[in-house]
Amino acid sequence: NAGVTQTPKFQVLKTGQSMTLQCAQDMNHEYMSWYRQDPGMGLRLIHYSVGAGITDQGEVPNGYNVSRSTTEDFPLRLLSAAPSQTSVYFCASSYSLLAKARTGELFFGEGSRLTVL
Amino acid sequence: GENVEQHPSTLSVQEGDSAVIKCTYSDSASNYFPWYKQELGKGPQLIIDIRSNVGEKKDQRIAVTLNKTAKHFSLHITETQPEDSAVYFCAPRTPRDSNYQLIWGAGTKLIIKP
Repeated sequence: NAGVTQTPKFQVLKTGQSMTLQCAQDMNHEYMSWYRQDPGMGLRLIHYSVGAGITDQGEVPNGYNVSRSTTEDFPLRLLSAAPSQTSVYFCASSYSLLAKARTGELFFGEGSRLTVL
Repeated sequence: GENVEQHPSTLSVQEGDSAVIKCTYSDSASNYFPWYKQELGKGPQLIIDIRSNVGEKKDQRIAVTLNKTAKHFSLHITETQPEDSAVYFCAPRTPRDSNYQLIWGAGTKLIIKP
């Protein structure tokens, strides 16, 4: 049971390049999300999904796209990378909708460190 | 929207002493109050949580207390050990549009001195 798997762990991009951060979970979780973590700012929600075929914007969605074609996978796409997107990105999943769950435990991947030059 | 503040931002305690981290939130509709621990190079991990109808919960050396009237909840760690060194986040769950979201504090870096 691998939990939440993120790839790559490290990536360096040039301004304007595009890339996809991959996230997969093997716990059959309905809810998946992407966060970015910057020093002194905690975690900020980029996009989330409450099930296959359903995505929604979080707090800081600009510059990022997501899709959810399967329950297991939730890739995050950077369309045209900017230095402001230099950050550590975390994918997290949860058993069910946070609104319905009796507990809202999020399971996190180990993170993807992205540097945009 | 929800405003979440954690204090202190850094806490240094002697091994064996207790540590307390406080989280203040603004939205009275928040109904679930977790604490996450993040070790260096890893993702956050849930260590304890409490629901809005409970005042205190303990799990061995850690406990969480909730004061809904004052809108704050605290993480208590007793008999601290070197492996408690990490960054701790509170993340109260608050209504957001037609759903709920966790709103994260900025984190508290806990340093355990040997």
